[in-house]
Amino acid sequence: QKEVEQNSGPLSVPEGAIASLNCTYSDRGSQSFFWYRQYSGKSPELIMSIYSNGDKEDGRFTAQLNKASQYVSLLIRDSQPSDSATYLCAVNSPGGSEKLVFGKGTKLTVNP
Amino acid sequence: DTAVSQTPKYLVTQMGNDKSIKCEQNLGHDTMYWYKQDSKKFLKIMFSYNNKELIINETVPNRFSPKSPDKAHLNLHINSLELGDSAVYFCASSQHGSHEQYFGPGTRLTVT
Repeated sequence: QKEVEQNSGPLSVPEGAIASLNCTYSDRGSQSFFWYRQYSGKSPELIMSIYSNGDKEDGRFTAQLNKASQYVSLLIRDSQPSDSATYLCAVNSPGGSEKLVFGKGTKLTVNP
Repeated sequence: DTAVSQTPKYLVTQMGNDKSIKCEQNLGHDTMYWYKQDSKKFLKIMFSYNNKELIINETVPNRFSPKSPDKAHLNLHINSLELGDSAVYFCASSQHGSHEQYFGPGTRLTVT
């Protein structure tokens, strides 16, 4: 069973701090990794994708990938109350399938 | 607006009824998906179509039948609705091979 694991949280950080969200995956053949943000009552929104080992930065967001450790993380710098949401990690299921496997999400609360 | 759209947004119905949900995307993508998000917020793939061809068919009761009349449209028909079918159903789309999936606003189905 292909799995994607995330700490369910909730994770609470003060405004301006760095929020660190972590995800591990079980299938070594996975090549594509994504972070989605889901506000309460809304749909998942793609915020980061990463395909190679190392860091990828986009504004206040940095995705980190370590394929050897089967670990992907999302750092949010200068966290804002508007970042409060559930963050879903998604990993492709290898073998030519279009399938993404989602983690159960980490709920982040940024306190003003 | 370029987007993935779904109708209806809310659907309240009684057990045993049959209902349909419709999805349309104007992103020019050729792959579309149906996901179910349960009360615990776990997002799980149900079906996927690529250019009108079914490519992902997860373990879903055969009361659920997807249909894709063309690559921009994907419908989901559910027969003999049960209480456990209550969930939010999301449509998503991607370009084949990309794995980056974009979600519609969701349809909240409540079976009473």
